[in-house]
Amino acid sequence: NAGVMQNPRHLVRRRGQEARLRCSPMKGHSHVYWYRQLPEEGLKFMVYLQKENIIDESGMPKERFSAEFPKEGPSILRIQQVVRGDSAAYFCASSPPAGLQETQYFGPGTRLLVL
Amino acid sequence: DAKTTQPNSMESNEEEPVHLPCNHSTISGTDYIHWYRQLPSQGPEYVIHGLTSNVNNRMASLAIAEDRKSSTLILHRATLRDAAVYYCILRRVETSGSRLTFGEGTQLTVNP
Repeated sequence: NAGVMQNPRHLVRRRGQEARLRCSPMKGHSHVYWYRQLPEEGLKFMVYLQKENIIDESGMPKERFSAEFPKEGPSILRIQQVVRGDSAAYFCASSPPAGLQETQYFGPGTRLLVL
Repeated sequence: DAKTTQPNSMESNEEEPVHLPCNHSTISGTDYIHWYRQLPSQGPEYVIHGLTSNVNNRMASLAIAEDRKSSTLILHRATLRDAAVYYCILRRVETSGSRLTFGEGTQLTVNP
């Protein structure tokens, strides 16, 4: 059973471009979470999604950031018009649908560098 | 979310036990205690969790104080691969699916 997959692992963008980060959850997992880790800082929650629904986006910046988890295919975190401050590691986690204290399984992350 | 307090860093020698403390004096009765760790350049990894009783798994043990205001993650024999940042996180029992709120964690260094 493959773990959580994220691609690309590294992404370089120039200011003003768009960044698309993809996350394929573990098989059978229908919950996806996105976290961001700025350089030399801790992990911060961004958004929690279930299939075709955003459940909690309270940690996501109001502008330029969006996330989706379609019925088919991976979850996508999209950053429009990137700025240097968006440079960070973005981690996706998934968990199974049942259970109140379900473990979150993290992917290896996408490291975004904005030039 | 209730807050946790951990030492910024700890050091251990290889093959010796390591006790990583966590204070959570404002914990509520419905908060579970979770531990995750993050190895260098990797995503976080689940270690263990518990509510009131001590817990053991293949990775570690979790000792929870009787008043639940503190807990200790125990690595029985540290290896170089255990060098990581360890996060103690409280999660409230609620409807399924809830964020993890990471603090600063404890940077564990393991000396050969």
